[in-house]
Amino acid sequence: DGGITQSPKYLFRKEGQNVTLSCEQNLNHDAMYWYRQDPGQGLRLIYYSQIVNDFQKGDIAEGYSVSREKKESFPLTVTSAQKNPTAFYLCASTPSSAYNEQFFGPGTRLTVL
Amino acid sequence: AQTVTQSQPEMSVQEAETVTLSCTYDTSESDYYLFWYKQPPSRQMILVIRQEAYKQQNATENRFSVNFQKAAKSFSLKISDSQLGDAAMYFCAYRSALMNRDDKIIFGKGTRLHILP
Repeated sequence: DGGITQSPKYLFRKEGQNVTLSCEQNLNHDAMYWYRQDPGQGLRLIYYSQIVNDFQKGDIAEGYSVSREKKESFPLTVTSAQKNPTAFYLCASTPSSAYNEQFFGPGTRLTVL
Repeated sequence: AQTVTQSQPEMSVQEAETVTLSCTYDTSESDYYLFWYKQPPSRQMILVIRQEAYKQQNATENRFSVNFQKAAKSFSLKISDSQLGDAAMYFCAYRSALMNRDDKIIFGKGTRLHILP
């Protein structure tokens, strides 16, 4: 089945530790995105990438980093510089046609203790 | 820059009734796409309906339909015969038809819809 996988579903980390969230897609989509969602809130864009080895900061990039070494993968690292990292993180991808919607992964709930 | 506004943070509707969720957007572009997404308690984002700006005809998908008013930059979602499974957060979204390096989808803040049995 084609789709986007995010692992793990729940992640716990101690304060001050970096943590990397995985996002993999087998849809052959060019563009990939990371969003943060806080309780009862909308989606805030962290980083996005249109092609391999290139990515752009979104609205709330501070304290986060990404890489795009492969088309299928777009991992997000939440660094210790992120002041409030506890949140729900969604990964998405889109095909190159603007007609198409974003496809979303199931999300990762990160809790920093 | 484009913006999407959903002015109703929460709404409630009686089961089997009809409800309309509002969305307005701002853009200087003439060609774009609009979407409604549903996020149920599972938090999996699901596409509900899509509208191409160049089409005058309003999109429909079973019980879901839109009222697209391009001049007013309005894109409301109507849910008919509301069901308990429709309870979710609904997001309105905009995507430019211009494909460039800065391509991203702009989301509204969402409307939480409660279905009353």
